[in-house]
This record gives sequence, C-alpha cells and structure tokens, in this order.
Amino acid sequence: AQKITQTQPGMFVQEKEAVTLDCTYDTSDPSYGLFWYKQPSSGEMIFLIYQGSYDQQNATEGRYSLNFQKARKSANLVISASQLGDSAMYFCAMRVRENYGQNFVFGPGTRLSVLP
Amino acid sequence: GAGVSQSPRYKVAKRGQDVALRCDPISGHVSLFWYQQALGQGPEFLTYFQNEAQLDKSGLPSDRFFAERPEGSVSTLKIQRTQQEDSAVYLCASSLAETQYFGPGTRLLVL
Repeated sequence: AQKITQTQPGMFVQEKEAVTLDCTYDTSDPSYGLFWYKQPSSGEMIFLIYQGSYDQQNATEGRYSLNFQKARKSANLVISASQLGDSAMYFCAMRVRENYGQNFVFGPGTRLSVLP
Repeated sequence: GAGVSQSPRYKVAKRGQDVALRCDPISGHVSLFWYQQALGQGPEFLTYFQNEAQLDKSGLPSDRFFAERPEGSVSTLKIQRTQQEDSAVYLCASSLAETQYFGPGTRLLVL
C-alpha cells in the first residue's frame, strides 16, 4: 500500500535559519513522483517542489530543496533562510501510477513556525 | 492566467440537506481531483477524472457522494443527505502533467 509518513507534527525554526522537514514514503511502484505543498492558515495548497523517482539530481526551487534518498525512501524538504511567511502547514505527497490513471497520497503534515 | 476556482467558498448546510460544490479547473488541464480535508489532517483522495471520464472513485466515503465532469472541464461534487461527519474542506485540483494545482477549497459545515 502507498503511504506517506511525516513524523514531525510541529517544528520551530529561528528566522534566517535553515530547517528540514522529514518525509518517508512507501510504494512498490517503480515510477512515482514526490511533491511538497505549503498550506498557510488561509487554506490554499501551494505547490513548492517536485521530484521524480528517476531524477538523478535533487530538485531545487529557490529557497526550497528536496533531499531525495531513494534507497531510504525519504524525501525531506529543506528550507533555507527561513522567513516569517514560511509559517504554515507543509504536506509531503506522492503520485503513483495506477492502471486507470494516477493516485495521490498525502502525509499528515508538519506545522512549521518561524520565530522572529 | 486564472488558477483553479471553487464555489462556494463556504457552505453551511442543515443535516439531511443536499449540497453541490463546483470546481473550475485551469483551462486545458486534463486531470481533475477531489479531496476531503478534515481539520488538522492532510487531504484524503475522493475521486479522479481524466477529461470527462471518472477513472477512480474509490475514495468516495459513501453512495451519498457523487461527482461528475460532463464536458471534461467544470466538475461538481454532490453530497446528498449531508451528515455532520461530512463537515470538512473539499479541495479540487487540476493537472496537465505531474503537478497538481489546487483551488482555494470549499469549507462545508453541516449542522
């Protein structure tokens, strides 16, 4: 069964510091995609970064990078130089291909609080 | 360009009432997904469309839930005889390739 685990319900980080949000996944599908989304208190889900299972290099998008360790089935999100606006819920998600199309599975989320 | 839009943004329903939630995906996006997000939890998959075809409805919690996308664009999620446990945020997402783009959600409260 496909599953996403995020073991940190909440994290604190000082402004301008870097923070790592953990994500591990479980799938038997050889082809999958991993995503991170940010959900501020306003509720919208904002796409941050994507990593394909066959990508050789770790994905980066501005201050976001994804530390992809395939053998360990982990896809941690690293946010560099944290800003107060980074305070939000962060969800790790996985896309797997099914016979009929595709399915997405989300983790329970990590609430990040950036301290001034 | 316009993103995914959903309406209404908020809906209060009395238990037993039927509700209809609308999703306008990004123009040209083939895939459309509905999710249910309970308070403090991650989104849970409900159903998936590719164009007008509903390819997966395994996440719909009961036969009171029904979704359609008749012309392969706008989608409607209908909940019949609402129950208190249906209270949640209902998120719609569309995609063309790998990445899903989400709408702002509809917050449903069943009293």
